[in-house]
Amino acid sequence: DAGVIQSPRHEVTEMGQEVTLRCKPISGHNSLFWYRQTMMRGLELLIYFNNNVPIDDSGMPEDRFSAKMPNASFSTLKIQPSEPRDSAVYFCASSLGQVGNVLTFGAGSRLTVL
Amino acid sequence: TQLLEQSPQFLSIQEGENLTVYCNSSSVFSSLQWYRQEPGEGPVLLVTVVTGGEVKKLKRLTFQFGDARKDSSLHITAAQPGDTGLYLCAGVEGGKLIFGQGTELSVKP
Repeated sequence: DAGVIQSPRHEVTEMGQEVTLRCKPISGHNSLFWYRQTMMRGLELLIYFNNNVPIDDSGMPEDRFSAKMPNASFSTLKIQPSEPRDSAVYFCASSLGQVGNVLTFGAGSRLTVL
Repeated sequence: TQLLEQSPQFLSIQEGENLTVYCNSSSVFSSLQWYRQEPGEGPVLLVTVVTGGEVKKLKRLTFQFGDARKDSSLHITAAQPGDTGLYLCAGVEGGKLIFGQGTELSVKP
């Protein structure tokens, strides 16, 4: 298995632009997580899905952020409009079973909003 | 306020030295996980500790879960430059897996 695949690896955009980050979880994993990592706040959970259904989105910063999981092999995290304070590394992770089981992380998408 | 407090935040040592990093909380956890993250990569699981007082060894790395399941430690013996990275502890709180801020370890040859 190629592991959790994220794209793009790097994105530089201007304030106000729409950003879409993509994730392909490990085949057979039924839980998917989006985390954001910054120096100041560390790794923060934004949202997680179980069997393609959003379970907890309380970590999503505001309405500018949205996430979808249309099927078991694909998820997106969208920021519209983007702001400089959204600059961070965004990680997707997947696991089998419930929260607390081992997470397999992707390599991350580094977002810079100018 | 971090639910999982890690210390030290930064650690720079010479190859061959021993070190211990800590993960502390006021909450009780059913288990704690330790991950290591290298630059440009996502965190990778090292170990999960489940039982209070449990000790697990992974080559030169020794992990211990506190008796009260509120804290954990990671001890590295004879550190190598390849041990360099960000060490993160994580536990389930409120139905979510939360992470500490991490300990940034640099081992110089």
